[in-house]
Amino acid sequence: DAGITQSPRHKVTETGTPVTLRCHQTENHRYMYWYRQDPGHGLRLIHYSYGVKDTDKGEVSDGYSVSRSKTEDFLLTLESATSSQTSVYFCAISDFGLAGVLSSYNEQFFGPGTRLTVL
Amino acid sequence: GQQVMQIPQYQHVQEGEDFTTYCNSSTTLSNIQWYKQRPGGHPVFLIQLVKSGEVKKQKRLTFQFGEAKKNSSLHITATQTTDVGTYFCAGQGPNDYKLSFGAGTTVTVRA
Repeated sequence: DAGITQSPRHKVTETGTPVTLRCHQTENHRYMYWYRQDPGHGLRLIHYSYGVKDTDKGEVSDGYSVSRSKTEDFLLTLESATSSQTSVYFCAISDFGLAGVLSSYNEQFFGPGTRLTVL
Repeated sequence: GQQVMQIPQYQHVQEGEDFTTYCNSSTTLSNIQWYKQRPGGHPVFLIQLVKSGEVKKQKRLTFQFGEAKKNSSLHITATQTTDVGTYFCAGQGPNDYKLSFGAGTTVTVRA
């Protein structure tokens, strides 16, 4: 498996509290992603990063913010957690070969996940 | 962006039987990827299809990419208990480094 770790692995928090999840990689991959996984919805993209300090929104970004101050770390913050944010959160990384996006293998490598419960 | 629909959501299979899961995209894709997630685990990349009409095999797994590059399928023959898990397709649009995941097909196997 690629060198990706997530912390914490489990967290229980209360509604209204701030929460920060960390994704750390040792692969020097350029692209990093945060997903949430809920039954019946598969994996939904929250935010992603295409370089240090370069981030953009995914399809379910409301209530979440991210930061990437260095290549290896991508932080996901819930400013004020709500019960609807109870989920399993996965970080993923990818990179592209010199040939470019369309012709390169750009598989995503996933971290082990963080199970977040908001009471 | 594209939306990827995947069916069926659940597949209950007798050991030894075959099954197929299907993906359809609302737009033309540059490539489609397949991932497998074992219960309690994280998604793991299986394969990527890039060319129109492409067919790839991995042992008992056969992956197809449609001629219009808008649909794909995964066919598993002679299902084994090791095939248990959720299979996701994920489509990538042209010049896009994001993936749109289908909802997944969760497979259970009766011995």
